Amino acid sequence: GEDVEQSLFLSVREGDSSVINCTYTDSSSTYLYWYKQEPGAGLQLLTYIFSNMDMKQDQRLTVLLNKKDKHLSLRIADTQTGDSAIYFCADPGYSSASKIIFGSGTRLSIRP
Amino acid sequence: GAVVSQHPSRVICKSGTSVKIECRSLDFQATTMFWYRQFPKQSLMLMATSNEGSKATYEQGVEKDKFLINHASLTLSTLTVTSAHPEDSSFYICSARVGRVGTDTQYFGPGTRLTVL
Repeated sequence: GEDVEQSLFLSVREGDSSVINCTYTDSSSTYLYWYKQEPGAGLQLLTYIFSNMDMKQDQRLTVLLNKKDKHLSLRIADTQTGDSAIYFCADPGYSSASKIIFGSGTRLSIRP
Repeated sequence: GAVVSQHPSRVICKSGTSVKIECRSLDFQATTMFWYRQFPKQSLMLMATSNEGSKATYEQGVEKDKFLINHASLTLSTLTVTSAHPEDSSFYICSARVGRVGTDTQYFGPGTRLTVL
């Protein structure tokens, strides 16, 4: 079946950039998501990128998509303590009938 | 963005009792809602897809008789954990799909933490 993989942990110093990586197997997806989950809370849609794009920038967030390598990354510039959370890469599949496949989540922790 | 609420946010119950969790789309109609379960430090596991006016579609390994889903209206889906046991303790999250041309986004509720004693 389709799969999405992420590293489990990332620790960065406050003010540095964070880069969270994800690989996926389904090449038919129209777009890919990044979700953020703060402790004890549900998932918040952070951003998404269409599969015909290779980069999307939204304020401090930059999403890079390498379709050839099926690699997706989320870069958070000037990382702040409020960015501490779990970040999920998600593949919604090809159609509205598809199930979202979530990665394992990357826990981002911020060092002072 | 669209808002999805869940109630209750936390529930503690005794083993053998049933617990109902509500998921509501507050400012939109959702023909399809999803129920997920999340174990500590793990990703979300899709339990079932809830379709308004029809039976839910359960994922393999999820007991239909234990996790009853009712999608009574376009804004409300309920998950009832019947005869709950400690192993059912988990974080349950619902989501609702909002379909627009070009994107098909799921918005998630804040989650319900169930503790079965």
